[in-house]
Amino acid sequence: KAGVTQTPRYLIKTRGQQVTLSCSPISGHRSVSWYQQTPGQGLQFLFEYFSETQRNKGNFPGRFSGRQFSNSRSEMNVSTLELGDSALYLCASSPSGSSYNSPLHFGNGTRLTVT
Amino acid sequence: AQRVTQPEKLLSVFKGAPVELKCNYSYSGSPELFWYVQYSRQRLQLLLRHISRESIKGFTADLNKGETSFHLKKPFAQEEDSAMYYCALSGEYGNKLVFGAGTILRVKS
Repeated sequence: KAGVTQTPRYLIKTRGQQVTLSCSPISGHRSVSWYQQTPGQGLQFLFEYFSETQRNKGNFPGRFSGRQFSNSRSEMNVSTLELGDSALYLCASSPSGSSYNSPLHFGNGTRLTVT
Repeated sequence: AQRVTQPEKLLSVFKGAPVELKCNYSYSGSPELFWYVQYSRQRLQLLLRHISRESIKGFTADLNKGETSFHLKKPFAQEEDSAMYYCALSGEYGNKLVFGAGTILRVKS
């Protein structure tokens, strides 16, 4: 099976712009989670979608949003970009709704640079 | 609140030496604990989870609820073990993981 695919791999944006990142989970996986990774804060949970519904949300401002489509593909959007949004954004998928049943599989990430 | 603490940013050992990567957690319920590993230029991947009670690549980790710890151990380190190791915690619901800051393991020859 193909792994979790994230596009694009790299993005450079200017402050104030918005950006959309895409994640294609492993075939058959219904849960998609997003994480932000920075040198200062490490890996932080953004949100999780399961069967097109947001189930969990981390402590990020409303500028960060996401959605999941019927084919389980997911997108996350960041509006009004700030310099501090520069990070590696990781997507992870799982076949089940709980980590008790199945672990997460991570993509390679999208490296976002805000100038 | 859920919290995971990995006190060491960097652990450097010689090949063949024992390894112990420390992880302490804070969670009021019944957590599930994981160790994820990221080798150079590779994606983050699961190493092991406490409910499986497995030994993966010679690594083991035991959940100690009294000490709220989930330390990762290997009796004899290999150079290919050099990587970033993350301890992570999940609650009873959903796939939200709380990660520790990570520990870089360097195995010297």
